[in-house]
Amino acid sequence: NAGVTQTPKFRVLKTGQSMTLLCAQDMNHEYMYWYRQDPGMGLRLIHYSVGEGTTAKGEVPDGYNVSRLKKQNFLLGLESAAPSQTSVYFCASSYSIGLAGGWTGELFFGEGSRLTVL
Amino acid sequence: DAKTTQPTSMDCAEGRAANLPCNHSTISGNEYVYWYRQIHSQGPQYIIHGLKNNETNEMASLIITEDRKSSTLILPHATLRDTAVYYCIVRVWSGGSNYKLTFGKGTLLTVNP
Repeated sequence: NAGVTQTPKFRVLKTGQSMTLLCAQDMNHEYMYWYRQDPGMGLRLIHYSVGEGTTAKGEVPDGYNVSRLKKQNFLLGLESAAPSQTSVYFCASSYSIGLAGGWTGELFFGEGSRLTVL
Repeated sequence: DAKTTQPTSMDCAEGRAANLPCNHSTISGNEYVYWYRQIHSQGPQYIIHGLKNNETNEMASLIITEDRKSSTLILPHATLRDTAVYYCIVRVWSGGSNYKLTFGKGTLLTVNP
């Protein structure tokens, strides 16, 4: 049971290049999230998904696109990378409401992907 | 979601209890208090949550004041591995379709030998 796995863990891009970050979870979670974390700041939500085939915008969605074609995967894409997108990206997943009592609201996070845009 | 206020940083001696305060004076009746921590360069980790009763698990205890305007996370015997940023988050647990959590800047707890 690997939990939440992010690939790649490190990447350097040039301005204008595109790339995709992959998040995979093996816990059969309905919900998945992409956050970014900048120095001295908390995590900010980029996009999230409440189920396969669905996505929604978070606090800072501009410049990013996402897709959830399979329940276990949540992809974050940068079509034209900018230096302002230099950050550490965290993926998370969680159960949905409806499980038997005892659901904690816990989000399970990956180890992060460090992206530098030059 | 209600706003939370936490000290920027705290120190604690190894083996002693670490008490991390959080103010959430605008909390509403159906909002839960969550605590997460983030060890350097790792993803955040869930610690505990509560509504109005005190809660305890294998990691920590959560004490919520009777008026629910503040809470304290207690690590009973802090170790060096507990050095991390601790986030206090207030969130509605509704029957709706999203459970987004908003992370502030948290408290950097440094456990000293």
